[in-house]
Amino acid sequence: EAGVTQFPSHSVIEKGQTVTLRCDPISGHDNLYWYRRVMGKEIKFLLHFVKESKQDESGMPNNRFLAERTGGTYSTLKVQPAELEDSGVYFCASSQISLGGDTQYFGPGTRLTVL
Amino acid sequence: KQEVTQIPAALSVPEGENLVLNCSFTDSAIYNLQWFRQDPGKGLTSLLLIQSSQREQTSGRLNASLDKSSGRSTLYIAASQPGDSATYLCAVRAGYALNFGKGTSLLVTP
Repeated sequence: EAGVTQFPSHSVIEKGQTVTLRCDPISGHDNLYWYRRVMGKEIKFLLHFVKESKQDESGMPNNRFLAERTGGTYSTLKVQPAELEDSGVYFCASSQISLGGDTQYFGPGTRLTVL
Repeated sequence: KQEVTQIPAALSVPEGENLVLNCSFTDSAIYNLQWFRQDPGKGLTSLLLIQSSQREQTSGRLNASLDKSSGRSTLYIAASQPGDSATYLCAVRAGYALNFGKGTSLLVTP
């Protein structure tokens, strides 16, 4: 079974540019999450989708960030325009509720560097 | 606001030692707790998930305990090996989101 995949693995952009990150969850997982870790800090929650619906976007830092999950499959996270403080590693995770609990499975992350 | 703290921040032990990693959280109203492992440049690998109604979970040489009332969890690693070297992260779930600690960086020397 394929795990959570993310693209690109690394992105370097200049301040003011736009970047779009993509996440493909594990097939059949209805829940999809975005998290972020900035330098020296712990991993922080950004938002949560159930299928194509946003359930909780309380962790989104500001309106420069836009997440979508059209069709309830893959998700994109767009940052427009990017600022220096957006640099960090962006993780995607997915889960499916089961009797054993809904373990969240993480992708390898996208390292974003804003210059 | 849930705060998750992991102690120690870094740990170096010789191969073969048994070790304990600690995680504490401020709000005991949790749904579950997950322990993850992260290797340099890689994603997070889930090690163990403990539901709020459970006291412990075991997988191979790993044992995680949960004391919800005191806001503590421990990850016990038996007979450590150099391949166990990684950062170990504790994450508490209340609602949908996971709240992470900063992690414990473990180095097991041959």
